Amino acid sequence: GAVVSQHPSWVICKSGTSVKIECRSLDFQATTMFWYRQFPKQSLMLMATSNEGSKATYEQGVEKDKFLINHASLTLSTLTVTSAHPEDSSFYICSASGLGGRDTEAFFGQGTRLTVV
Amino acid sequence: AQSVTQPDIHITVSEGASLELRCNYSYGATPYLFWYVQSPGQGLQLLLKYFSGDTLVQGIKGFEAEFKRSQSSFNLRKPSVHWSDAAEYFCALMIKAAGNKLTFGGGTRVLVKP
Repeated sequence: GAVVSQHPSWVICKSGTSVKIECRSLDFQATTMFWYRQFPKQSLMLMATSNEGSKATYEQGVEKDKFLINHASLTLSTLTVTSAHPEDSSFYICSASGLGGRDTEAFFGQGTRLTVV
Repeated sequence: AQSVTQPDIHITVSEGASLELRCNYSYGATPYLFWYVQSPGQGLQLLLKYFSGDTLVQGIKGFEAEFKRSQSSFNLRKPSVHWSDAAEYFCALMIKAAGNKLTFGGGTRVLVKP
């Protein structure tokens, strides 16, 4: 299957600072990337959908000014958690869907564990 | 609106026994259905998928799933469970018209007894 790399795998930051998480498709062009948030022992909650070169579409209830998503190229999308607070601590997962036979499923990154102290 | 339901939150099974995880979906068109497995602190790994054709789908790690349109179900099965199958399992439905957006079920945690 296709490879999606997410970095970092874990991060600890101080309250009030910003954290950037990267999601890269390593061997295909990702026209669409998705960002999910997962609380302990719960399912994945879609936060936003990003298409290369356009603004992300956020799900209802997700603050777009707090969770900044950029999809500047066909291989990279970033999620920036701005002014992080302890309640933003969670597991964040990206997935990518793309061209050339990669359009029939979404490929997932390894996830990023964010802890805000 | 589409939805996916996994009725069982937890399942405990003995090693070597069979396993069946239930998944029901609600969607107005032909569904694209997936089963993923997630180990603690990890991303999701695709077990299998159904788009069309044969309703019995074979996946990796000895898993299979059967699509039953009349029951709106896509249950996952494995004839003999190994201790390494202990994980969280997610059923998901893909909306092609929404750029491959996935709707996930709540997940089923599988515990394997020795």
